[in-house]
Amino acid sequence: DIQMTQSPSSVSASVGDRVTITCRASQGIRSWLAWYQQKPGKAPKLLIYVASSLQSGVPSRFGGSGSGTDFTLTISSLQPEDFATYYCQQAYSLPLTFGGGTKVEIK
Amino acid sequence: QLQLQESGPGLVKPSETLSLTCAVSGGSISSTTDYWGWIRQPPEKGLEWIGTIYDRGNTYYNPSLESRVTILLHTSKNQFSLNLSSVTAADTAVYYCARVGGTPPLRYVMDVWGQGTTVTVSS
Repeated sequence: DIQMTQSPSSVSASVGDRVTITCRASQGIRSWLAWYQQKPGKAPKLLIYVASSLQSGVPSRFGGSGSGTDFTLTISSLQPEDFATYYCQQAYSLPLTFGGGTKVEIK
Repeated sequence: QLQLQESGPGLVKPSETLSLTCAVSGGSISSTTDYWGWIRQPPEKGLEWIGTIYDRGNTYYNPSLESRVTILLHTSKNQFSLNLSSVTAADTAVYYCARVGGTPPLRYVMDVWGQGTTVTVSS
């Protein structure tokens, strides 16, 4: 199985801050990586797929980059509605696996 | 607009079988380009992929659960289901159904999710 490791596990930030979350795969997955946002009590929401493609309706302040084993999710200017937990997921091979999550909290 | 809705018992006894259904509306479960899957999330923990079904019944299961999991399509009802046998407290979780992309660039990506249903395993 491909292991996905996210860092940090939590980050405190203020509205307007730039936030960067990283995800590392235990083996190369080319660009087969997705990012999800989950708010408390809600289902995850797809933000980005194939590492850098923005899902329809997702604000352009969200951006993804990377390939191979190292990936990044960047929120260019944090908004109040962005406080949530973010997960990466490899879409390269089965079984599908997720990172442990990064909680973005209000500073 | 595609929507998914999970249903099933919220409480299951240890050693029994957990059974959930996902009703799909706004689209056909018989689509040749869409897969369908189940994901779970234990309390205060991360996401775990359970398995995926596609193309009239082909399945992929998480090896960690494979001996206990069955996912089926019910095309006449536009639904798919999850059975998880011999449950223990470790199976307590929110269970989500989702559409899983079957072709690039959304291959193996969950782009539409149900709201989730909480299942507690307890006597």
